[in-house]
Amino acid sequence: DSGVTQTPKHLITATGQRVTLRCSPRSGDLSVYWYQQSLDQGLQFLIQYYNGEERAKGNILERFSAQQFPDLHSELNLSSLELGDSALYFCASSVGGPGQGRNTIYFGEGSWLTVV
Amino acid sequence: AQTVTQSQPEMSVQEAETVTLSCTYDTSESNYYLFWYKQPPSRQMILVIRQEAYKQQNATENRFSVNFQKAAKSFSLKISDSQLGDTAMYFCAFIAYTSGTYKYIFGTGTRLKVLA
Repeated sequence: DSGVTQTPKHLITATGQRVTLRCSPRSGDLSVYWYQQSLDQGLQFLIQYYNGEERAKGNILERFSAQQFPDLHSELNLSSLELGDSALYFCASSVGGPGQGRNTIYFGEGSWLTVV
Repeated sequence: AQTVTQSQPEMSVQEAETVTLSCTYDTSESNYYLFWYKQPPSRQMILVIRQEAYKQQNATENRFSVNFQKAAKSFSLKISDSQLGDTAMYFCAFIAYTSGTYKYIFGTGTRLKVLA
């Protein structure tokens, strides 16, 4: 158990709909990362937050948005869903942002999204 | 730009034997960290081993060890006494602090199958 909690574990929804994926980082971790992994694909970095602020953006679609709340949990919002958005969405967390030492990231178990 | 390359999409090894997974990276940063993550069929991402670039000594975690060649920008993973439970996708990852934030870059993965 990495200590990173993601909900829901599985989600099936229709095209055009909107879903929200939730992530609670490990206790003490200030950074949260979101990754997308399609079937048999590598990890696509979506976005990173540190202590509530957006720190880095990757290949995140405009239909997707995220935020990190004062209690450090994070949500990834996916809207106008398409079939191609079906994937495993990982949340990961690490201790620190800029100026910190080790920044090992620990992954949650992922949220399986199926768009039908 | 930083890149991580895993040139072996698939590998197999007999149980109890040793296998080495290759990873090369490219960066102009001097301070960075390297990781290997394992993704078994359950799809959970599990940290296997990590290496700080400033350390010359190769990291070791039980049956897992790395061969870190900084000048060659190579970071291979050696698995000794392979077990069936080692069957997984293995991702090499690189982390560097650049442009005000830590950037995490993953390779495309090597699928390892341990044969009984």
